[in-house]
Amino acid sequence: DIQMTQSPSTLSASVGDRVTVTCRASQTVAGWLAWYQQKPGEAPKLLIYKTSTLQSGVPSRFSGSGYGTEFTLTISSLQPDDFATYYCQHYNNYSPEPTFGGGTKVEI
Amino acid sequence: QLQLQESGPGLVKPSETLSLTCTVSGGSISSISYYWGWIRQPPGKGLEWIGSIYRSGHTYYNPSLKSRITLSVDTSKNQFSLKLTSVTAADTAIYYCARPPRGVDFWSGFYGYWGQGTLVTVSS
Repeated sequence: DIQMTQSPSTLSASVGDRVTVTCRASQTVAGWLAWYQQKPGEAPKLLIYKTSTLQSGVPSRFSGSGYGTEFTLTISSLQPDDFATYYCQHYNNYSPEPTFGGGTKVEI
Repeated sequence: QLQLQESGPGLVKPSETLSLTCTVSGGSISSISYYWGWIRQPPGKGLEWIGSIYRSGHTYYNPSLKSRITLSVDTSKNQFSLKLTSVTAADTAIYYCARPPRGVDFWSGFYGYWGQGTLVTVSS
């Protein structure tokens, strides 16, 4: 089984900061990786899929990169609405069997 | 606009069966070619994929839950359902139903549409 590990588990930042969250896979997942944002009491919101494809309506300050086993989510200039928990997720390119990372909480 | 809504008991006794239904509005399951998924989240913890089902009834299950899960779909009611048997306190979680976003492959295992989630507590 593929394991997804995120770091850090908690990240303290300020409005305007450039923020990077890392996700590592226990074995190569090619580019089949998605990122979600979740706020307390809400369902997760898809931000990015296929490593770097921005979901419709997601602000351009969010970006994703990586390949194989190491991936990053970058927020270019942190906004007040961005304080949340972020999850990475590996998925197969042939079947709906996803695996989530443990999450990274971005706090003030 | 596609909407998903989970429903079912909020309290289930240990060793009993958890049953949830996801009702889809704004689109017909029978005419939408995607796998519909169930994901859960224990309070204060991370996300866990439970399983996915296609309109034909074809399913994929999380291997760690496979022996206890049954997914089904009722296209006439525009619903799909989850049954989880022999529940314990470890199954206490918010349960979400979800679907991939538009424009991606039908087998895609990432989710652009989510229900609001329903908390199921396992307790006597």
